[in-house]
Amino acid sequence: NAGVTQTPKFQVLKTGQSMTLQCAQDMNHEYMSWYRQDPGMGLRLIHYSVGAGITDQGEVPNGYNVSRSTTEDFPLRLLSAAPSQTSVYFCASSYSRGTDTQYFGPGTRLTVL
Amino acid sequence: ILNVEQSPQSLHVQEGDSTNFTCSFPSSNFYALHWYRWETAKSPEALFVMTLNGDEKKKGRISATLNTKEGYSYLYIKGSQPEDSATYLCAFGNTDKLIFGTGTRLQVFP
Repeated sequence: NAGVTQTPKFQVLKTGQSMTLQCAQDMNHEYMSWYRQDPGMGLRLIHYSVGAGITDQGEVPNGYNVSRSTTEDFPLRLLSAAPSQTSVYFCASSYSRGTDTQYFGPGTRLTVL
Repeated sequence: ILNVEQSPQSLHVQEGDSTNFTCSFPSSNFYALHWYRWETAKSPEALFVMTLNGDEKKKGRISATLNTKEGYSYLYIKGSQPEDSATYLCAFGNTDKLIFGTGTRLQVFP
């Protein structure tokens, strides 16, 4: 099993550009989520999904969109990048609930100029 | 707003020392308390998931306890080794979300 994979590993954007961060898991997990990690702030939940076709907002959803068309994939879209979105983004998955053990991807480091 | 607090923020110990960290969380609507180990340039990895008041978990030299009534958990490392150097995160599970603390950064010197 590859576990949770994320692409790209690094990305530099200009303010106003859009992009999609990819996340996939091969463990047949129902629950997937996106976090951002900023210095001194810990991991903050952006969006999550409890299954294909179902998504919901976390603590810091503004500026991000998600969809879940398959069990395996959970892409995160930045519609119009802002410098405040400079961060490290982690995707995670768990068997069925948000309170189950989370398995994290390797992260994407995003810089918005 | 759910708040999860960890203390201390950072800790420097000598190899062989035993140490412990604290995680404080809301005592209402409790579902689970997680501990993760996060090494630099890697992803967080799960250590323990605890769900019942009084739970105690152990993995090698690392153990954790849980008190849901007063809203705290302790993580203990016995005989710290340089490879234990990492940030230790706790997370409070509330329905379908995990709320993370900011972590305790541990450095173990040989």
